[in-house]
Amino acid sequence: GEDVEQSLFLSVREGDSSVINCTYTDSSSTYLYWYKQEPGAGLQLLTYIFSNMDMKQDQRLTVLLNKKDKHLSLRIADTQTGDSAIYFCAVQFSGGYNKLIFGAGTRLAVHP
Amino acid sequence: DTGVSQDPRHKITKRGQNVTFRCDPISEHNRLYWYRQTLGQGPEFLTYFQNEAQLEKSRLLSDRFSAERPKGSFSTLEIQRTEQGDSAMYLCASSSLGAGAKETQYFGPGTRLLVL
Repeated sequence: GEDVEQSLFLSVREGDSSVINCTYTDSSSTYLYWYKQEPGAGLQLLTYIFSNMDMKQDQRLTVLLNKKDKHLSLRIADTQTGDSAIYFCAVQFSGGYNKLIFGAGTRLAVHP
Repeated sequence: DTGVSQDPRHKITKRGQNVTFRCDPISEHNRLYWYRQTLGQGPEFLTYFQNEAQLEKSRLLSDRFSAERPKGSFSTLEIQRTEQGDSAMYLCASSSLGAGAKETQYFGPGTRLLVL
């Protein structure tokens, strides 16, 4: 079946940039998403990118898409302690009713 | 816009009992999804409704699970004869289809189920 993989943990210093990576297998996916989850909470949509785009910037967030390598990344500039959370990459599955296929999540820890 | 709401937020039950969860989507959204998230994992798709019609069910949805969306508004997810393996966070998401087939799913806070 379709698969989405992420590295499980990332630790950065406050003020540095964070880069969270994701690879996926569904080459027909049209939209790819990044969600943020804080402890005990639901998922908050951060940003998305359409598959015919290479890059999208939204304030401190930059999404890069390499469709050939099926690689997606999320860069957070000037990372703050409030950015500490789990970040999920999600791919809109092309073979069904737009259900999302999620990675296991990357836990971002921001330290002073 | 109050967002997607789910009730209850937490549920503790004994093995073998039945439980029912409710999801109220964003009012103008005609699409509704249920996902299940276990500890340390990302959400996994369970089922999808377009208006009141249940159009897709995952193989994860055993016969003990049933979902409804009777009037195309709120939805319920029932688990009969709960097992310890059903312990998870159950997430509901709603959406509507926009231009260019873009569909953004907005998630509720989830219902955390613990089966003892």
